[in-house]
Amino acid sequence: AQTVTQSQPEMSVQEAETVTLSCTYDTSESDYYLFWYKQPPSRQMILVIRQEAYKQQNATENRFSVNFQKAAKSFSLKISDSQLGDAAMYFCAYRSAFQGAQKLVFGQGTRLTINP
Amino acid sequence: DSGVTQTPKHLITATGQRVTLRCSPRSGDLSVYWYQQSLDQGLQFLIQYYNGEERAKGNILERFSAQQFPDLHSELNLSSLELGDSALYFCASSEDTDTEAFFGQGTRLTVV
Repeated sequence: AQTVTQSQPEMSVQEAETVTLSCTYDTSESDYYLFWYKQPPSRQMILVIRQEAYKQQNATENRFSVNFQKAAKSFSLKISDSQLGDAAMYFCAYRSAFQGAQKLVFGQGTRLTINP
Repeated sequence: DSGVTQTPKHLITATGQRVTLRCSPRSGDLSVYWYQQSLDQGLQFLIQYYNGEERAKGNILERFSAQQFPDLHSELNLSSLELGDSALYFCASSEDTDTEAFFGQGTRLTVV
């Protein structure tokens, strides 16, 4: 079974600075997807960024980028120019690319605080 | 707004009772997923339906059941409720089985 581990229960960063959230995962599959979801106090789960395992290029969405290291099974999220609205719980998630196995496996989350 | 609607937003009920949580997926989405978020277990997959049929099952208790109706909305039924069932229950939907899933705002269930 696949597992996802987020080793940082809490992180904080100064506004406008850069912060990196860590995620490692365990799988025997070669084809899969990785995601970062954001959960603000409103509790809505919002997709931040997605990475296909077959792509070597790291995904980027505006101020959000990932460092995907497939051999190391590492998938970190970098947030540049942090803003107060980035404060939230961040969840790393794994999904198999195998048809019939579409469930998301989540890590335990990292609570990100932005200091003004 | 993700386009996925869950009702009710909050629910308080007593132990031993039965409740039904409702999910309306985004227009056109055929796949519906249910997740439970609790403090001790984190976010866990419960069950998935695709176009009315059960597609995958996760850590769903026997006291829990779900279904997806012809209009594609889904209901999660929780019975013989226990204090430990208190959690946030999310519904997510996706167009197909290998496309992005979008989450609703969740139903906060409190069992007292």
